[in-house]
Amino acid sequence: ETGVTQTPRHLVMGMTNKKSLKCEQHLGHNAMYWYKQSAKKPLELMFVYSLEERVENNSVPSRFSPECPNSSHLFLHLHTLQPEDSALYLCASSRNFEGGGGETQYFGPGTRLLVL
Amino acid sequence: DQQVKQNSPSLSVQEGRISILNCDYTNSMFDYFLWYKKYPAEGPTFLISISSIKDKNEDGRFTVFLNKSAKHLSLHIVPSQPGDSAVYFCAASDRGSTLGRLYFGRGTQLTVWP
Repeated sequence: ETGVTQTPRHLVMGMTNKKSLKCEQHLGHNAMYWYKQSAKKPLELMFVYSLEERVENNSVPSRFSPECPNSSHLFLHLHTLQPEDSALYLCASSRNFEGGGGETQYFGPGTRLLVL
Repeated sequence: DQQVKQNSPSLSVQEGRISILNCDYTNSMFDYFLWYKKYPAEGPTFLISISSIKDKNEDGRFTVFLNKSAKHLSLHIVPSQPGDSAVYFCAASDRGSTLGRLYFGRGTQLTVWP
């Protein structure tokens, strides 16, 4: 148990669906992150929020829309995804985003997404 | 261009022996390095880190060695246990940069057999 929870753990959706992934951290951290992990690839950083402000958007398609209503919660809204978007989506948090996020990050268990 | 590389996708070690996982990086500005362990169906779990001002950091059975001149770090697990079987990710960061986020390697699958 790392103090970072994600729901749902598994999600199957069609290309026309709209769904949301939720992340919650109980560590009192100020920075939160979304990562994508595809098979045989390194973790890819998607978005970074620091104190509820988006500080990095790593060239992610607009069909992925993040939302950070407060420092404990992070959402990833999904709309008209493609089959190649099927992957493990990981949320992480760190104490701060000082130094550009180079602090130790603590990960949630991930959401396994399958787009049909 | 991948700045953190783990060239061995898998490693198999007998229980009780030493496991050595290797990681190379290309960015000389990296000054903070971490190892994460990942079990199936779980997120990566932070294991151990090292700052570039050190060349060794030890935590129980886990020791990370850093060779800055070679841009190489390694994780030693002694003695290895079957519960250590997992994917191990190396990560690096340039903490002095406003864009110094974590860069991850592709991971090495460690299997410890009885």
